[in-house]
Amino acid sequence: AQSVTQPDIHITVSEGASLELRCNYSYGATPYLFWYVQSPGQGLQLLLKYFSGDTLVQGIKGFEAEFKRSQSSFNLRKPSVHWSDAAEYFCAVGRSGGSNYKLTFGKGTLLTVNP
Amino acid sequence: EAQVTQNPRYLITVTGKKLTVTCSQNMNHEYMSWYRQDPGLGLRQIYYSMNVEVTDKGDVPEGYKVSRKEKRNFPLILESPSPNQTSLYFCASSRNRGYEQYFGPGTRLTVT
Repeated sequence: AQSVTQPDIHITVSEGASLELRCNYSYGATPYLFWYVQSPGQGLQLLLKYFSGDTLVQGIKGFEAEFKRSQSSFNLRKPSVHWSDAAEYFCAVGRSGGSNYKLTFGKGTLLTVNP
Repeated sequence: EAQVTQNPRYLITVTGKKLTVTCSQNMNHEYMSWYRQDPGLGLRQIYYSMNVEVTDKGDVPEGYKVSRKEKRNFPLILESPSPNQTSLYFCASSRNRGYEQYFGPGTRLTVT
């Protein structure tokens, strides 16, 4: 069964500092991978996605993520964090084969940004 | 505007009183799904639908029902709600497998 692990429940960074949020997945084949962001009281917004091809993907709001098959990881990065990036971030994995399509989410990483 | 809508946004009900949360999308998406979000547990999939009349269980289907009679609508039915179904519910849709999911604004349900 597919699964997603986000090892960090809560991360605090200073505004302007770099950011890396970790995501590890368990899946037998090449997965579809996503990062979503949820601001307080809001729904989920897609930041970026990986289906195939270039392993470094660019997303909205200056975020990027790198797919590393050997490490089963899809970490999210941003070179300089802004106060408005404070939110909860979810990594998700979807099956790329078979007749069904189930999306599995990690438990999320809450990001706090200090001024 | 392309969107996923859910109604109601907030609902307080009592144990055992049947309720339905509606979900509708205007993007002609084939795939739709329901999730519940609980603190510390992230989002867990309840049911999903690959197309009209095609539905399947997600990770936490107990106590829920769904139907997909039209492509745009995917209601979530709680026949006999219980307090452990108090949660934040999200509906989502996508063009098909592998594509990004678009989420509705959420429905906060409280069962007393």
